[in-house]
Amino acid sequence: DAKTTQPNSMESNEEEPVHLPCNHSTISGTDYIHWYRQLPSQGPEYVIHGLTSNVNNRMASLAIAEDRKSSTLILHRATLRDAAVYYCILITNAGKSTFGDGTTLTVKP
Amino acid sequence: NAGVTQTPKFRVLKTGQSMTLLCAQDMNHEYMYWYRQDPGMGLRLIHYSVGEGTTAKGEVPDGYNVSRLKKQNFLLGLESAAPSQTSVYFCASRIQKRNSPLHFGNGTRLTVT
Repeated sequence: DAKTTQPNSMESNEEEPVHLPCNHSTISGTDYIHWYRQLPSQGPEYVIHGLTSNVNNRMASLAIAEDRKSSTLILHRATLRDAAVYYCILITNAGKSTFGDGTTLTVKP
Repeated sequence: NAGVTQTPKFRVLKTGQSMTLLCAQDMNHEYMYWYRQDPGMGLRLIHYSVGEGTTAKGEVPDGYNVSRLKKQNFLLGLESAAPSQTSVYFCASRIQKRNSPLHFGNGTRLTVT
């Protein structure tokens, strides 16, 4: 199964940009890259996804490396409400969707 | 729409007891998943289903059974609960397309004493 690797934790100052990296060196050509975040005591919520091209939505941007072996979630202006655990996962043809331990983002005021 | 609904929200079991967790979705999603999350850890996939009547093992299937008799419901069973199964259980669903997001329920907090 294709796996993802993320740093355990990152810190950011409020209103500054945050770049959350994810490595997925065993990704296959048809796997989609999804990002989710989990606030304390809640289930994960969808943030963004992509296949090959960079993507933007109201929550974040996703930058995908040309070889697709890594990606970066970009929060343009971090707020205190963005403090959460962020997960990068691969969605495969087989339907199996596994999560790693994610990155805990701390936002300092 | 209710989305993904998990029942119960909380449960305390004694070692050796059995129980069934219910996940119901009203979005006509083909794929459904059961995850567990231990304190300070990420989500680990227990079992999943790509359609009515089909199930498959995830990363940590031992001690659990599942059934998907109806498309909208995915049941997770513990036949003989153990303290190691104390965890928060999350159900998720999505449509078949790989560019579709996972929709999660609010979780079931299970304690086995």
